[in-house]
Amino acid sequence: ELKVEQNPLFLSMQEGKNYTIYCNYSTTSDRLYWYRQDPGKSLESLFVLLSNGAVKQEGRLMASLDTKARLSTLHITAAVHDLSATYFCAGVIAGKSTFGDGTTLTVKP
Amino acid sequence: DSGVTQTPKHLITATGQRVTLRCSPRSGDLSVYWYQQSLDQGLQFLIQYYNGEERAKGNILERFSAQQFPDLHSELNLSSLELGDSALYFCASSPGGGDEQYFGPGTRLTVT
Repeated sequence: ELKVEQNPLFLSMQEGKNYTIYCNYSTTSDRLYWYRQDPGKSLESLFVLLSNGAVKQEGRLMASLDTKARLSTLHITAAVHDLSATYFCAGVIAGKSTFGDGTTLTVKP
Repeated sequence: DSGVTQTPKHLITATGQRVTLRCSPRSGDLSVYWYQQSLDQGLQFLIQYYNGEERAKGNILERFSAQQFPDLHSELNLSSLELGDSALYFCASSPGGGDEQYFGPGTRLTVT
């Protein structure tokens, strides 16, 4: 059974700073997703990572996947207030997704 | 707007009742996924359909069932409802089986 652990669960950052959210998973996963959820809203897909060494970037967010370490990271560069949200990673095995508990990010001026 | 629609937005019902949640995927998407989000259990994958066939099954209770119709819309049926079934239920769709998923706005179910 796939287990997914995110840390930290809560993150308070100052605008302009960099930080990384970590997503560890327990067994080989077919792919790794990152999602964003704003309060009271649905999920928005950010990245799908398929293979070892995959790196994807969108704006101030960059996601990477290390399948040997069973680790994915979501790096935030020069944070801005609009990035405040909860971020989830999810691993997939045989079509079944398992989510982490989410990282609630608050970016302060 | 993701292009995925879900109805109803809110549903309040009593324990023991049965409800049906509906999802219409984005045009052209063949896969539909159902998820449950609650404070107790977080986000949980329930089930995936691809072009009318069940493709993957997650933590879906026996009291719950789903189907995908020929026009690709999907319904999630929840029966013998319990207080613990109160949650947000999301539907998502994707073109195939391993692509980026597009989420609907969700149905908030409250069981009293």
